[in-house]
Amino acid sequence: DGGITQSPKYLFRKEGQNVTLSCEQNLNHDAMYWYRQDPGQGLRLIYYSQIVNDFQKGDIAEGYSVSREKKESFPLTVTSAQKNPTAFYLCASSIKGAEDTQYFGPGTRLTVL
Amino acid sequence: GNSVTQMEGPVTLSEEAFLTINCTYTATGYPSLFWYVQYPGEGLQLLLKATKADDKGSNKGFEATYRKETTSFHLEKGSVQVSDSAVYFCALSGRTNDYKLSFGAGTTVTVRA
Repeated sequence: DGGITQSPKYLFRKEGQNVTLSCEQNLNHDAMYWYRQDPGQGLRLIYYSQIVNDFQKGDIAEGYSVSREKKESFPLTVTSAQKNPTAFYLCASSIKGAEDTQYFGPGTRLTVL
Repeated sequence: GNSVTQMEGPVTLSEEAFLTINCTYTATGYPSLFWYVQYPGEGLQLLLKATKADDKGSNKGFEATYRKETTSFHLEKGSVQVSDSAVYFCALSGRTNDYKLSFGAGTTVTVRA
């Protein structure tokens, strides 16, 4: 089945540790996105990538980093510089020519203890 | 910049009641408009979309009409079911080069049997 997978579903880390969230898609989509969701708020864009080996900062990129070495993969690293990392993280992708319609993965809930 | 405002929740309804969730937007140009639904513990699913004025998006009994004169995209369903309990997000894409989505804060809907 085609889709977007994110792993793990739940992730716990100690304060001060970097952590990497996985996002893989087999939809052959060109663009991929990372969003952060906090309770009672809409989604906020962290980073996005429209093509392999290229990515741009979104609205809240500070304390995060990404890479896009393969079309199918867009991992997100939450660094120790992110001051409030506990949140629900959602990955999305979109097809070239219809970039405004994004398809989302199931999300990873990160809790920093 | 682009922004979306949707009615605050939570909204609690009885089964077979009529549901309306208001959404208004601010954008330059001619954005695409979306409704996404998020079931408990899951990622977002695209519910419906409209790409130009007076377009009506529809899916699973839900409808929304792109009203440019009132900058609105209200979501409606004539007879809700318990399975419609979820968080609903209104979003827009400015259709600039980055195709970033701007989301509303989300409206939690609970349908009681």
